[in-house]
Amino acid sequence: AQSVTQLDSQVPVFEEAPVELRCNYSSSVSVYLFWYVQYPNQGLQLLLKYLSGSTLVESINGFEAEFNKSQTSFHLRKPSVHISDTAEYFCAVSVDNQGGKLIFGQGTELSVKP
Amino acid sequence: GAVVSQHPSRVICKSGTSVKIECRSLDFQATTMFWYRQFPKQSLMLMATSNEGSKATYEQGVEKDKFLINHASLTLSTLTVTSAHPEDSSFYICSADPGTSVYNEQFFGPGTRLTVL
Repeated sequence: AQSVTQLDSQVPVFEEAPVELRCNYSSSVSVYLFWYVQYPNQGLQLLLKYLSGSTLVESINGFEAEFNKSQTSFHLRKPSVHISDTAEYFCAVSVDNQGGKLIFGQGTELSVKP
Repeated sequence: GAVVSQHPSRVICKSGTSVKIECRSLDFQATTMFWYRQFPKQSLMLMATSNEGSKATYEQGVEKDKFLINHASLTLSTLTVTSAHPEDSSFYICSADPGTSVYNEQFFGPGTRLTVL
């Protein structure tokens, strides 16, 4: 079975500072990896995904994540955060032969302070 | 493109009543829809997977008689919480898979906040 662990439940950071949200997964088979963002009282929006190929993936708003197979990690980073990045971030995995089921981590609340 | 809507966005009901939540894919046909439940400050837990025209597949521990799922068309799935109780209060989120990508991409609805008094 697959599982996802987000190591930090809350990450407070000042505006324009760099941030890293950590995600580790457990799986005996190849997985697809995702980061979703959830703003208060809203559904989830896909931030970025790793399917195959280059291990470094980027989003349009400056976030990036690197797939590290040996460490089974998919940490999310941004070199300079904005107030508007304040949200809940979820790491998730899916497996090819499970009909698209997503397994989510516990979530990390990113709080950007001025 | 790839917009998923949910209705209602918020609902308050009395204990013992039933509540229906609709999930619609607005600009695509969804071969598969998923229903999730999210408690405050917690992650999303998959409740069930529904495919159009067939019975939903429920995750372990989810009562199928309590949470009725109907996927009558390729653009609509409904979740009915029967005989709701306060412990059913939660944020319910659906997602839809158009079946066009290799990795079964899901598009999420905005969620429905259910409060049972």
